[in-house]
Amino acid sequence: DGGITQSPKYLFRKEGQNVTLSCEQNLNHDAMYWYRQDPGQGLRLIYYSQIVNDFQKGDIAEGYSVSREKKESFPLTVTSAQKNPTAFYLCASSIDSNSYEQYFGPGTRLTVT
Amino acid sequence: GQQLNQSPQSMFIQEGEDVSMNCTSSSIFNTWLWYKQDPGEGPVLLIALYKAGELTSNGRLTAQFGITRKDSFLNISASIPSDVGIYFCAGGDNNAGNMLTFGGGTRLMVKP
Repeated sequence: DGGITQSPKYLFRKEGQNVTLSCEQNLNHDAMYWYRQDPGQGLRLIYYSQIVNDFQKGDIAEGYSVSREKKESFPLTVTSAQKNPTAFYLCASSIDSNSYEQYFGPGTRLTVT
Repeated sequence: GQQLNQSPQSMFIQEGEDVSMNCTSSSIFNTWLWYKQDPGEGPVLLIALYKAGELTSNGRLTAQFGITRKDSFLNISASIPSDVGIYFCAGGDNNAGNMLTFGGGTRLMVKP
């Protein structure tokens, strides 16, 4: 089965700790994306990667970091510098950077206390 | 950045009724997409529209790309309980590196 997996589904952390969210895809897609969703709101772009070893900041990159060492994987680190990290995080991928059709993973709900 | 206004914000309808929702923008988009999100899950792509005036169906769902390229509409016919969820529109702009801008969502509730 091809798809996008995110783990874990729920994550709890203490304030001041960095935490890394996993995103893996076996769709052979070149482009991958990270979004943040807050209750009752739409999706906001954190970071995106059009190809391996390259990534770009989205609209709300402050306090986050990413890496793209492998085509299949695009982990997101929520650092202690992110002032309001509690949110639902969604990873997506598209065939390449020319495609608008993005396919989403199941999401990770991060709670920081 | 670009803004998408999606309306209504929520709808509570009776099973069997038809549903209409729309998305408007002050900017032109090259592509409109519609997604559905179930609670606690990721959005699922329903329909993608690539041409102004285009009307596309997917089962009981029909979406249209507005002639002005600044709006899009989604209709659901004969709603059923599993239609419950949040519907998001997204606009694609190739002047913004093919990134998507998302609307705030329409929450649909269906009464059996």
